Amino acid sequence: NAGVTQTPKFQVLKTGQSMTLQCAQDMNHEYMSWYRQDPGMGLRLIHYSVGAGITDQGEVPNGYNVSRSTTEDFPLRLLSAAPSQTSVYFCASSYSKPPRPEQFFGPGTRLTVL
Amino acid sequence: GQSLEQPSEVTAVEGAIVQINCTYQTSGFYGLSWYQQHDGGAPTFLSYNALDGLEETGRFSSFLSRSDSYGYLLLQELQMKDSASYFCAVSGYSTLTFGKGTMLLVSP
Repeated sequence: NAGVTQTPKFQVLKTGQSMTLQCAQDMNHEYMSWYRQDPGMGLRLIHYSVGAGITDQGEVPNGYNVSRSTTEDFPLRLLSAAPSQTSVYFCASSYSKPPRPEQFFGPGTRLTVL
Repeated sequence: GQSLEQPSEVTAVEGAIVQINCTYQTSGFYGLSWYQQHDGGAPTFLSYNALDGLEETGRFSSFLSRSDSYGYLLLQELQMKDSASYFCAVSGYSTLTFGKGTMLLVSP
């Protein structure tokens, strides 16, 4: 199993550009989520999904969209990139939603917005 | 909402024991998790407490007191490879909320 994969690993955008961060898992996990990590801020939840076709907002959803058309994939879309979205983005998955605690994280995408 | 407090940095020497504390305020609490993250890497799950008491997994133990809204991670027989950031996280209904992390520096 590849686990949770994310592409790209690094990305540089200009302000106003849009892009999609890809996330896929091959563990047949129902629950998937996106976090952003900024220095000194820990991991903050952007959006999550409890199953195909179901998504919900986390703590910091503004400026991001998600969809979940299949169990395996959970892409994160930046609609119009802003410098404040410069961050490391982690996708995570688990067999079922919290309170089941064990989330499996992808390697991250390091995004810089100029 | 949820808020978690943990120290920003802890230092220790190889072979020692270190405790990383976490206090939380939350509406809707199911349990407390701990994650480890090495520099440049992804967080990895260490332990979970849903009930009061101590859970032991090898050199790592985690404790929870629900009445005190408090937990800690105890690392024994510290090794250089334990130098990393450690995050406590509160499990709510459908979401996991992380603290800001504690950087552990282990010196020879």
